[in-house]
Amino acid sequence: EIVLTQSPATLSLSPGDRATLSCRASQSVGSFLAWYQHKPGQAPRLLIYDASNRATGIPARFSGSGSGTDFTLTISSLEPEDFAVYYCQQRNNWPPLTFGGGTKVEIK
Amino acid sequence: EAQLVESGGGLVQPGGSLRLSCAASGFTFSNYDMNWVRQAPGKGLEWVSFISTNDYTIEYADSVKGRFTISRDNAENSLYLQMNSLRAEDTALYYCARPRTKGGPHAFDIWGQGTMVTVSS
Repeated sequence: EIVLTQSPATLSLSPGDRATLSCRASQSVGSFLAWYQHKPGQAPRLLIYDASNRATGIPARFSGSGSGTDFTLTISSLEPEDFAVYYCQQRNNWPPLTFGGGTKVEIK
Repeated sequence: EAQLVESGGGLVQPGGSLRLSCAASGFTFSNYDMNWVRQAPGKGLEWVSFISTNDYTIEYADSVKGRFTISRDNAENSLYLQMNSLRAEDTALYYCARPRTKGGPHAFDIWGQGTMVTVSS
């Protein structure tokens, strides 16, 4: 099973700051990694698929990069609605499909 | 607009059973593989099960294998999860999720709002 480790667990930032979230895989997942945003009481929202492709309707301030075992989600300038929990997920080696433990982006 | 609506959650005793349903609308359900994903209280997301368009491929997380059964009815645009021998650790919000494109376990771009399952005596 591929284990995804997200860091940091919590990121305390202010609106307008740049957010850099990391996801490290226990073995290569190629480019088959996705990022989701999850807010309380809402369904998860797909942001990035296949490491660097923005999903439909996702603002350009969200970008993904990386391949193999190291991936990054960058939010160039945080908007108030961006404070949430972010998960990475791999689909390269399955079953099982696996998610990271999440990074909470909170208001400083 | 593509939409998924789950139902069937509730309170059940350990060892009991429950059947979850997911009603799909706004897209051609029969063209898409489908999944169940859950989130235990205070925890992260956990993939539970996958079913291909024609039932040919079915997969489960080890944590539910042998106890849960995924199925679908393409004529009714519905996905199901039969959960037997429920345990306290199955307590979670259960989401159905659709991959963004056809053919395999692509990233999930359509999610329902979830249905809560609580296993407790």
